[in-house]
Amino acid sequence: GIQVEQSPPDLILQEGANSTLRCNFSDSVNNLQWFHQNPWGQLINLFYIPSGTKQNGRLSATTVATERYSLLYISSSQTTDSGVYFCAVEGDSWGKSQFGAGTQVVVTP
Amino acid sequence: NAGVTQTPKFQVLKTGQSMTLQCAQDMNHEYMSWYRQDPGMGLRLIHYSVGAGITDQGEVPNGYNVSRSTTEDFPLRLLSAAPSQTSVYFCASSYTAHNYGYTFGSGTRLTVV
Repeated sequence: GIQVEQSPPDLILQEGANSTLRCNFSDSVNNLQWFHQNPWGQLINLFYIPSGTKQNGRLSATTVATERYSLLYISSSQTTDSGVYFCAVEGDSWGKSQFGAGTQVVVTP
Repeated sequence: NAGVTQTPKFQVLKTGQSMTLQCAQDMNHEYMSWYRQDPGMGLRLIHYSVGAGITDQGEVPNGYNVSRSTTEDFPLRLLSAAPSQTSVYFCASSYTAHNYGYTFGSGTRLTVV
């Protein structure tokens, strides 16, 4: 199956700072998603982005499928951005998304 | 519009007991799946379904059964619970497996003693 690596594993930010999270994958993908798991455990879909760039408020994401990576940008971070960010990819096996191990983000006031 | 509803939220089982985790969605999604999340790890796929009457195995299917008799419901059955199945279980759904993002339920925290 596809290998998914996320970096960094942990990130501590001061409120207002910007950051970049990375997701590398080992093969071509048909589907790539970014999720945020809040401290209460709820998983929220941030982006469906198999290629190109999308923006949603202070968050944006870019996937360069030919080079097998995706980036999630958090600008002007807030304490509510704390949690774990997961990247999930699907290759040729339709319906089988593979999750990375996640990046734990802590935003301090 | 309730989205994806999982019940129960918490459950404690004794080793060897069986139970069913419920998952229901009201968005007419074709694709549904079950994941488990263990501490320090990402989510691992247990089983998935691309439509009513169609199911398939994911990465960690052993010890679990599923069926999909309706579009709305996708229950996960633990046949004989083991301590290794202690985990948080998430159900997800999407319009199709491709081209759309997943919506997750709030999870079921299962402890097997």
